[in-house]
Amino acid sequence: ELKVEQNPLFLSMQEGKNYTIYCNYSTTSDRLYWYRQDPGKSLESLFVLLSNGAVKQEGRLMASLDTKARLSTLHITAAVHDLSATYFCAVDLNTGNQFYFGTGTSLTVIP
Amino acid sequence: NAGVTQTPKFRVLKTGQSMTLLCAQDMNHEYMYWYRQDPGMGLRLIHYSVGEGTTAKGEVPDGYNVSRLKKQNFLLGLESAAPSQTSVYFCASSTGQGFRYEQYFGPGTRLTVT
Repeated sequence: ELKVEQNPLFLSMQEGKNYTIYCNYSTTSDRLYWYRQDPGKSLESLFVLLSNGAVKQEGRLMASLDTKARLSTLHITAAVHDLSATYFCAVDLNTGNQFYFGTGTSLTVIP
Repeated sequence: NAGVTQTPKFRVLKTGQSMTLLCAQDMNHEYMYWYRQDPGMGLRLIHYSVGEGTTAKGEVPDGYNVSRLKKQNFLLGLESAAPSQTSVYFCASSTGQGFRYEQYFGPGTRLTVT
């Protein structure tokens, strides 16, 4: 069974600051996904990382994947309040069938 | 283009009752999935389907059954509900093309079993 761990689980940060969320997984995979969930809402796809060394950026968020270290990072630059949400990473076993999600990182950006 | 829709949005069941959750997608996706989300545990895959007429078990399939008679619909059934099945249920779909299995999620169904 694949284990996916995120840290931190809770993150409170001030507007304008930078921070990184980490996603570690326990077995070989070169496909990793990041999602955002607002309270009481569904999940929205942010990034799809499909190979070692992949880097994707959208606005103040940048995601990267190191398959050798089994690690993905989600970096937040100059945080703004609108980024407050829960962020999940998910890994699939290179089949598209079995997805394993991390427990999520609840991010609160304080003005 | 509605994307992924789920019916109902909320439901309260008594222990032992049965119900069916309906998921529909209009994106012509081959792959469909059912997840449950519990506090502090992220999402866990219940069952999935890789095409019309196919289903397979995920990480936590016990107590649930599924059917995919039409490509656009994926049904999740609870034959005899238990309080442990109180959760938020999400359906998702993905195209599966080009080894890109980015999932599109429905709005969720909040189920309470008393």
